[in-house]
Amino acid sequence: DAEITQSPRHKITETGRQVTLACHQTWNHNNMFWYRQDLGHGLRLIHYSYGVQDTNKGEVSDGYSVSRSNTEDLPLTLESAASSQTSVYFCARGTLENTGELFFGEGSRLTVL
Amino acid sequence: AQSVTQPDIHITVSEGASLELRCNYSYGATPYLFWYVQSPGQGLQLLLKYFSGDTLVQGIKGFEAEFKRSQSSFNLRKPSVHWSDAAEYFCAVGPNDYKLSFGAGTTVTVRA
Repeated sequence: DAEITQSPRHKITETGRQVTLACHQTWNHNNMFWYRQDLGHGLRLIHYSYGVQDTNKGEVSDGYSVSRSNTEDLPLTLESAASSQTSVYFCARGTLENTGELFFGEGSRLTVL
Repeated sequence: AQSVTQPDIHITVSEGASLELRCNYSYGATPYLFWYVQSPGQGLQLLLKYFSGDTLVQGIKGFEAEFKRSQSSFNLRKPSVHWSDAAEYFCAVGPNDYKLSFGAGTTVTVRA
């Protein structure tokens, strides 16, 4: 049973379409995060949440939104997909030991044509 | 603002040789520092972390890293590299609220 499940793992969409990437965790951790990974940039923070009904913008939040209606899920929505949003997206949660590190899902590769 | 620089984009090392990956950070207070490894098509796995105490930290898979405050560095080392260590390595820095900043990564190639 994977601790963080991301879906879909691969998706191709067209410019202008709305896309939602799902992230589900089984640890009921309050802290959840979305990053995007691009060559030469490492991982950059998109949005994060410290609990139900809490959402915050990261450094590259334009064009993205999240919602947190329960502890387990933090879906990431691209309101109108753009080619610049072609990337690999990672969901992560904090750890129970509260030592600052993140535990990552296996990623969702999104291609916007 | 916090930031991380990994000066080496790509390193090639022979199997059995030693490996050192460089990481320099910018952070105003005492940082939480991490090294992650990513195999192709996979997520990121934590190798080791530092947030206090002994400045030489041991991690999984035989890796270690040393925190040097005076140099703002957190370099990763392994005495003898195995072919399975071929991967991309990321250094990250942050406070204790999980909002990590990552370096651009270093790709390690291991030759036989």
